[in-house]
Amino acid sequence: DSGVTQTPKHLITATGQRVTLRCSPRSGDLSVYWYQQSLDQGLQFLIQYYNGEERAKGNILERFSAQQFPDLHSELNLSSLELGDSALYFCASSVVGGNEQFFGPGTRLTVL
Amino acid sequence: EDQVTQSPEALRLQEGESSSLNCSYTVSGLRGLFWYRQDPGKGPEFLFTLYSAGEEKEKERLKATLTKKESFLHITAPKPEDSATYLCAVQGSNYQLIWGAGTKLIIKP
Repeated sequence: DSGVTQTPKHLITATGQRVTLRCSPRSGDLSVYWYQQSLDQGLQFLIQYYNGEERAKGNILERFSAQQFPDLHSELNLSSLELGDSALYFCASSVVGGNEQFFGPGTRLTVL
Repeated sequence: EDQVTQSPEALRLQEGESSSLNCSYTVSGLRGLFWYRQDPGKGPEFLFTLYSAGEEKEKERLKATLTKKESFLHITAPKPEDSATYLCAVQGSNYQLIWGAGTKLIIKP
């Protein structure tokens, strides 16, 4: 158990809908990262937050957005969902931006 | 351009048959190289961080080494429970992690 929690574990929704994924980092970690992993694909970095502020952006679509709250938990919002958005979404956290990242168990999103 | 290449894509071994996985990288200003293990449907599990050429780290049947251009993950006398995808990532001067595609390791009993 890495100490990073993610909810929900599974999410099934329809195209065009909007969903919110939630992540709580390890105690003491200030950085949160979001990744997407499609079936049999590598990890795609989406976005990083550090202590409430956006630190870096990767291959994140405009339909996707994220934020980190004062209690350091983070939410990833996915809107106008498409079939191709079906994937595992992982959150990771680290003590200081750039150190070892510890991953949560992921949220499996299925868009029908 | 920063890049990480892992080889082979997949590796099938018999239980007890030692081997190595490779992670070749190109990065400006290496700050660290990370190895992770990922089981199907699970989040990557952190294994090692290596910071400079010549550094080695061990954990049970795994040993990671680093040169200026590549890293090896040596697996000694593997067991079926070592079956997983092993991911390599490098951190350059911009602090971002560049991930490899992974090596899928299958250990047959």
